[in-house]
Amino acid sequence: SQTIHQWPATLVQPVGSPLSLECTVEGTSNPNLYWYRQAAGRGLQLLFYSVGIGQISSEVPQNLSASRPQDRQFILSSKKLLLSDSGFYLCAWSQKGRVNEKLFFGSGTQLSVL
Amino acid sequence: GQQLNQSPQSMFIQEGEDVSMNCTSSSIFNTWLWYKQDPGEGPVLLIALYKAGELTSNGRLTAQFGITRKDSFLNISASIPSDVGIYFCAGEIQGAQKLVFGQGTRLTINP
Repeated sequence: SQTIHQWPATLVQPVGSPLSLECTVEGTSNPNLYWYRQAAGRGLQLLFYSVGIGQISSEVPQNLSASRPQDRQFILSSKKLLLSDSGFYLCAWSQKGRVNEKLFFGSGTQLSVL
Repeated sequence: GQQLNQSPQSMFIQEGEDVSMNCTSSSIFNTWLWYKQDPGEGPVLLIALYKAGELTSNGRLTAQFGITRKDSFLNISASIPSDVGIYFCAGEIQGAQKLVFGQGTRLTINP
């Protein structure tokens, strides 16, 4: 069966520090991968998605970047965090061409930038 | 970009009451989905709708894909405490390989 791992679960970082959140998927190959952010009390905003290794699509201009160094690994990064980067970050995956059937989410990372 | 307008933003109801929430968009969507998020967790799929006019049930949940393909609603009948959470609508434009989510409806139930 497929599983998605996301870590860390919680993170408190000072403004200006770097960020690296990692997401890995097991039990499938060549998945589509996604990073969403959920600000407190708000909806889910798609930040990045990837349909293959090294292929990253950015949905909104921001202080963050994403990379996909391996087929089932998706990394969200920042060189210098801003206060506005605080939020709940969710990684998700779907089978190729089947995002409308099932999008599987990780358990999320609660990021607080102070 | 595409936006989904979900309402209401929050609901406070008594246990046993029925619940209704909806999503609208200025864009046509190929698929409408409804997700539920428990506190501190990722969303989980409840219902998926693939055809305009489609009405689908999952236990006490019923959802419909609007005829215009620009809207959808979700109904929950006879609410119970475990229904508490945030409900999201999501839509996919054909071939886009990504979902757009609504702002969510936070459901609170008083026992």
